[in-house]
Parts: sequence; C-alpha cells; structure tokens
Amino acid sequence: AQSVAQPEDQVNVAEGNPLTVKCTYSVSGNPYLFWYVQYPNRGLQFLLKYITGDNLVKGSYGFEAEFNKSQTSFHLKKPSALVSDSALYFCAVRDMMRGYGQNFVFGPGTRLSVLP
Amino acid sequence: NAGVTQTPKFQVLKTGQSMTLQCAQDMNHEYMSWYRQDPGMGLRLIHYSVGAGITDQGEVPNGYNVSRSTTEDFPLRLLSAAPSQTSVYFCASEAGGRGNEQFFGPGTRLTVL
Repeated sequence: AQSVAQPEDQVNVAEGNPLTVKCTYSVSGNPYLFWYVQYPNRGLQFLLKYITGDNLVKGSYGFEAEFNKSQTSFHLKKPSALVSDSALYFCAVRDMMRGYGQNFVFGPGTRLSVLP
Repeated sequence: NAGVTQTPKFQVLKTGQSMTLQCAQDMNHEYMSWYRQDPGMGLRLIHYSVGAGITDQGEVPNGYNVSRSTTEDFPLRLLSAAPSQTSVYFCASEAGGRGNEQFFGPGTRLTVL
C-alpha cells in the first residue's frame, strides 16, 4: 500500500530565511505527488504537483518542490519565507496503479511557523 | 465560480442524532470525495463518487452514507452520530483524468456530545 511520511510535526523558520518541509513516500508504481496548504479554518489549497518531467516543480506563492526518485522524496521549498506562509502543509501521493478510491493518500501534515 | 461549497460550517449533535452535511461544486467535476481530518492523521477518505449515480467506500466509511443524484451535489449523511465522529469534514472535487488535483471546500466542524 502507498504511504506518505512527513517527519516533522513542526517547522520554525525566521522570516526571510529559506524553508524546507520534508516529505517521503512509498508507492508500488510511478507516483503522482502533490503539496497542499491549509490556513486556519480553511480548506486545503493546491500548491503544486509532480506528474512527470523536470524534477523541480514550481508552484503558487513562490513555492517549489524537488522530486527525488532514488530517495523517494518530494520536499517543499521556498527561498525566502514570509510570515504569511505560516500554515499547515500536506504532502499527498497518488498511486496510479490503484483504483480511484484507493490511490490518494495524504501525509499527517507539517505545521510551518515563520517568525518575524 | 463558487468552487466547492459546504454547509453548515459548524454543527453540534447529540449522540444518536442524524444529520446531512451538504456539498456542492459548480466546476462540472466528475469525481467527488468526503474526507475527515483529525489531528496528526492527515485526511482520511470516507466515501467517494466517480460520477452521478456511482459511489463507493473509502478508508473509513462506517457510520456514513452518501448518494450522488446529480453531478453538482454530494451529501454526506451521518446515520446515528457518535462521539468518535467528532471531526472536521471536507468535501473535494476533481476533474476526471490522471494527475489532476483536488479542490476542497471550506469544511464543516462537527462536534458530537
């Protein structure tokens, strides 16, 4: 079965510094990988995805993520953090070898706090 | 374009009561899903639908029913509420096809006493 791990419950970073939110995954086939962000009392918002092609994917709000097949990782990055980036971040994987109801798995989430 | 809408935003139930959480989308998406979000557990799939008239169970379906009579609407019914169903519920929709992202509603925060 596929799985997603986000090894850090909480990441703290100073405003202006680079940030990284880690994600590792396990799937039987080729993965489709996603990052979502959740602001307080809101639904999840799509940030970016990797389907195929260039390993470095750029998304909304200046975020990017790098797909590393050998390390089965898809870490989310931003060169310069903003206080407004503080939120809960979810990594998700879709295993296209499985049927629709069984193929989308979310990680537990990482809370990012950007300190002014 | 409202996207995915959910009502109500908040609800308090007593054990044994029933209720329906409403979800609607105006993007003509084929696929719709219900998730529950619990602290430290990410999102878990309750039920999903791949088109009008077609529904199936997800990871945690017990105690919930769904139907999909139209493309737009996908209500979630709690048959007899239990404290273990206290959670935040999210509805999501997705265009059919590989690699598409899901669009989420704002959520319903449910407390069962």
